[in-house]
Amino acid sequence: DQQVKQNSPSLSVQEGRISILNCDYTNSMFDYFLWYKKYPAEGPTFLISISSIKDKNEDGRFTVFLNKSAKHLSLHIVPSQPGDSAVYFCAAGAGTASKLTFGTGTRLQVTL
Amino acid sequence: DADVTQTPRNRITKTGKRIMLECSQTKGHDRMYWYRQDPGLGLRLIYYSFDVKDINKGEISDGYSVSRQAQAKFSLSLESAIPNQTALYFCATSDSARQGWQPQHFGDGTRLSIL
Repeated sequence: DQQVKQNSPSLSVQEGRISILNCDYTNSMFDYFLWYKKYPAEGPTFLISISSIKDKNEDGRFTVFLNKSAKHLSLHIVPSQPGDSAVYFCAAGAGTASKLTFGTGTRLQVTL
Repeated sequence: DADVTQTPRNRITKTGKRIMLECSQTKGHDRMYWYRQDPGLGLRLIYYSFDVKDINKGEISDGYSVSRQAQAKFSLSLESAIPNQTALYFCATSDSARQGWQPQHFGDGTRLSIL
């Protein structure tokens, strides 16, 4: 029972263009969502988060959008850079438990 | 120096062996977690600990045990390793002292192969 789904295993985007990574969830109790980036041979690093009381959060080139009615969130990277090439995981949590449920990841490749 | 340190970084061992993976942190966080990553499955929670006296099972705890020796140390043991425990293992920490949701911070992982 995959409560957090990333249906695109991979995505290729040209440098300078927008990258859009998508994530769907099924558990309506989730009220906090995070995106992590992972390079090979390193652990995931926190990128950006959003709580369920918001529908958008921006941090520089990264914006996360949350559509609660559709149980969908997306990460926009504008403009995409070669250094953004990595695997991106979305994660969700509920209440104050601080446990996270992760998606399966999307590998982003930014080409020159 | 890394804030969350995992040892060893790589380990190859045989079926039936007992293995311990270590995690130590200098972040001063009270909460610690163990995950495994398998291709196509993302990260799955094995065990978590909210303080030294609090240990909880995650979604895939069978075949594993943990020990929280101190606030800064959380080890994961495989009592009798089997090949389907071959995976990438991550330790993570988070801080409950700050208000609101706090992200988890990960170590660089231990790649474990069981032959």
